[in-house]
Amino acid sequence: QQPVQSPQAVILREGEDAVINCSSSKALYSVHWYRQKHGEAPVFLMILLKGGEQKGHEKISASFNEKKQQSSLYLTASQLSYSGTYFCGTEPSNAGGTSYGKLTFGQGTILTVHP
Amino acid sequence: KAGVTQTPRYLIKTRGQQVTLSCSPISGHRSVSWYQQTPGQGLQFLFEYFSETQRNKGNFPGRFSGRQFSNSRSEMNVSTLELGDSALYLCASFPGQGASYEQYFGPGTRLTVT
Repeated sequence: QQPVQSPQAVILREGEDAVINCSSSKALYSVHWYRQKHGEAPVFLMILLKGGEQKGHEKISASFNEKKQQSSLYLTASQLSYSGTYFCGTEPSNAGGTSYGKLTFGQGTILTVHP
Repeated sequence: KAGVTQTPRYLIKTRGQQVTLSCSPISGHRSVSWYQQTPGQGLQFLFEYFSETQRNKGNFPGRFSGRQFSNSRSEMNVSTLELGDSALYLCASFPGQGASYEQYFGPGTRLTVT
């Protein structure tokens, strides 16, 4: 089942902060965050694993609440380059310690940053 | 390292035809996943290959198939094309073993079925 992202869209001025949420009805092993600009491929931002491990870009932060199966992506001091569609992709907990490459993606959150 | 490459980038086909798309993963990555992206359905998982074996499959009809070669390059094939198959087809690669790894996406193949 597809994770639910909120909000669907957000508009910011440069320098403002935003939070994007991703919620799943299934027990999760990991949450992946990607950003996609129009006409381009999704770009990896962050992985959050069950147990607390995280891998990602220095300027991106995120959280993963394993009990609630929710993840949030925090974008601080936004820049024009942050504009794009943000997707969360989830792996169910039965994936164990091996990724089988099957991510179920949310519907996306469109982020627009204005000067 | 060179990124994930996909060929062709754009393709126009007619209903009923078949099409083959190619994906070359990042060097050293043994796993390739395929996704279909449409405005209505978003990003949907098609299948994943590791060491020439399909490990996982999404909910797509049998017209969608794939394979992986010994050099980890992967192809997907769609037979008897339908108008609804028009989409951006993305492949992603990652090491394929051990803990969950980030997937690196290729630029995609834009397929238009007329």
